[in-house]
Amino acid sequence: GIQVEQSPPDLILQEGANSTLRCNFSDSVNNLQWFHQNPWGQLINLFYIPSGTKQNGRLSATTVATERYSLLYISSSQTTDSGVYFCAVEDSNYQLIWGAGTKLIIKP
Amino acid sequence: GAVVSQHPSRVICKSGTSVKIECRSLDFQATTMFWYRQFPKQSLMLMATSNEGSKATYEQGVEKDKFLINHASLTLSTLTVTSAHPEDSSFYICSARWGETDTQYFGPGTRLTVL
Repeated sequence: GIQVEQSPPDLILQEGANSTLRCNFSDSVNNLQWFHQNPWGQLINLFYIPSGTKQNGRLSATTVATERYSLLYISSSQTTDSGVYFCAVEDSNYQLIWGAGTKLIIKP
Repeated sequence: GAVVSQHPSRVICKSGTSVKIECRSLDFQATTMFWYRQFPKQSLMLMATSNEGSKATYEQGVEKDKFLINHASLTLSTLTVTSAHPEDSSFYICSARWGETDTQYFGPGTRLTVL
């Protein structure tokens, strides 16, 4: 099956810093999503991005499907950005295959 | 956007009892709902996929007699953990979608603690 790898596994930054999270996947996918799981466990869809670049406020994402990777950029980090960021890809059966996540801690 | 709710958000029960968790799509009809389990500091693990009006499809290694899933309507699916034991303690998350190619929307999760 499809393998999804995220890096780095952990990231600690000062408030105001920028960060880049990476997601590599091993095969062609129907779609790719980025999620933020807050400290209470709620998963929030950030981007639905099979290819190209999207931006939403301080967050943006780029997926290069031909090279099988996606990047999530967070600019001017805030403490509320803390949590775990997951990348998940849709396989040919439209089921989600999850990466292990990147745990982000933003210190004030 | 689409909203999915779960109830209860947190439950503590004694070993041997059964616990029912509800997942509702509040503003759309969900032809398919998914149940996930998440252990501490780990990713989500798909337990089963349920389509309205039919039996759930369980992932390998998930006991269907232990985790009973009912998807009786287009807005409600339930997960019942039968004869719960401490090893069943976990965070259970449901998601819902209306079409095969549509995105999944996630509930807030239910934290189950079995004493």
